[in-house]
Amino acid sequence: NAGVTQTPKFQVLKTGQSMTLQCAQDMNHEYMSWYRQDPGMGLRLIHYSVGAGITDQGEVPNGYNVSRSTTEDFPLRLLSAAPSQTSVYFCASSYVDGGNTIYFGEGSWLTVV
Amino acid sequence: AQSVTQLGSHVSVSEGALVLLRCNYSSSVPPYLFWYVQYPNQGLQLLLKYTSAATLVKGINGFEAEFKKSETSFHLTKPSAHMSDAAEYFCAVRSGTASKLTFGTGTRLQVTL
Repeated sequence: NAGVTQTPKFQVLKTGQSMTLQCAQDMNHEYMSWYRQDPGMGLRLIHYSVGAGITDQGEVPNGYNVSRSTTEDFPLRLLSAAPSQTSVYFCASSYVDGGNTIYFGEGSWLTVV
Repeated sequence: AQSVTQLGSHVSVSEGALVLLRCNYSSSVPPYLFWYVQYPNQGLQLLLKYTSAATLVKGINGFEAEFKKSETSFHLTKPSAHMSDAAEYFCAVRSGTASKLTFGTGTRLQVTL
């Protein structure tokens, strides 16, 4: 019963490096999203998708790219890491109907030095 | 547009006392409302959700919340706090199908002896 799986759990990057945070779900959910969590700011939406081939920007999209080639996977790419991207990242998924529960992964702790 | 305001970034209660965590929302359409709990260094777990059925919603661990449309509120309560309730609590709103989930900034609950 995997649910939403994120990798890696911990990562240290140097400024300017690129990397991809992986997210996979096995519940056949149409909706997938990425959030970042910073102290005192709650969870802020980076990007989201309502189905394969469809993505849209959230509240804080700058510096991040996403793609949705399959229903199961929704990777988040950091193009050129900056210290301001040091954060905890959460992937989440649900069925598109708004009343459905959104399930979260366990988080990825990213430090940019 | 949708938004959530959580009053009080930190709430401290004695063990056995009433827990009241406040949440007010803004939504242009009838909302779906959620409360999530986050324990240290973990992901988010759903406590309860409002999906336009009963206005008083019961969740896990003895928590409940009441949807009050006239006050645009969805406050979380628990009659008697337990030490294990110490965590961060997030209120979130979703406006309709295929829409994004927007979080408040969170309330950290401390439970003292």
